[in-house]
Amino acid sequence: EAGVAQSPRYKIIEKRQSVAFWCNPISGHATLYWYQQILGQGPKLLIQFQNNGVVDDSQLPKDRFSAERLKGVDSTLKIQPAKLEDSAVYLCASSLERVSPLHFGNGTRLTVT
Amino acid sequence: DAKTTQPPSMDCAEGRAANLPCNHSTISGNEYVYWYRQIHSQGPQYIIHGLKNNETNEMASLIITEDRKSSTLILPHATLRDTAVYYCIVRVDGAAGNKLTFGGGTRVLVKP
Repeated sequence: EAGVAQSPRYKIIEKRQSVAFWCNPISGHATLYWYQQILGQGPKLLIQFQNNGVVDDSQLPKDRFSAERLKGVDSTLKIQPAKLEDSAVYLCASSLERVSPLHFGNGTRLTVT
Repeated sequence: DAKTTQPPSMDCAEGRAANLPCNHSTISGNEYVYWYRQIHSQGPQYIIHGLKNNETNEMASLIITEDRKSSTLILPHATLRDTAVYYCIVRVDGAAGNKLTFGGGTRVLVKP
């Protein structure tokens, strides 16, 4: 089966600019997650969707981050405006059901200068 | 979610078994033990998970102590491609927002 697809692979922006990341989960997977991984740390959950509804966004900085999952398939994560501390890898993961193992994409590496 | 404790790093020899320990002394009865690994520049990869019984798949074996307060991931014949950061995670399955909460993991270096 095809894995979780993410784009772009790399992105460099200046602070205060906006950026968007795209994720296409594994076909049929109902649950989708966005994680942020800062260099040297483990991934941290930003938001979890079940189909197109939000299950958990408690750690999403909502003043600058937003995410949507239209039609319960693809998802986009947006940052506006970006700060230097947003430099990280943004990982998307999906699972068949909420109790299933997560499958991760290879992430988007964001550098904010 | 219960927290886990793992050694920050360990080396192992190519072709030998690698035994990765994890302590989860505050685990609850409905929490599973999950193992993931992350190879450089890739996303985390699912390895195995278990509740009470020992588990084995094509990648590894998971040994959970009877009191469930600790577990060991065993890579039976380590190869250079097994060099990665290994994460031990406890997770409640079935609850709302049953997220994976990653810690710092164990950085494993397989040496020739």
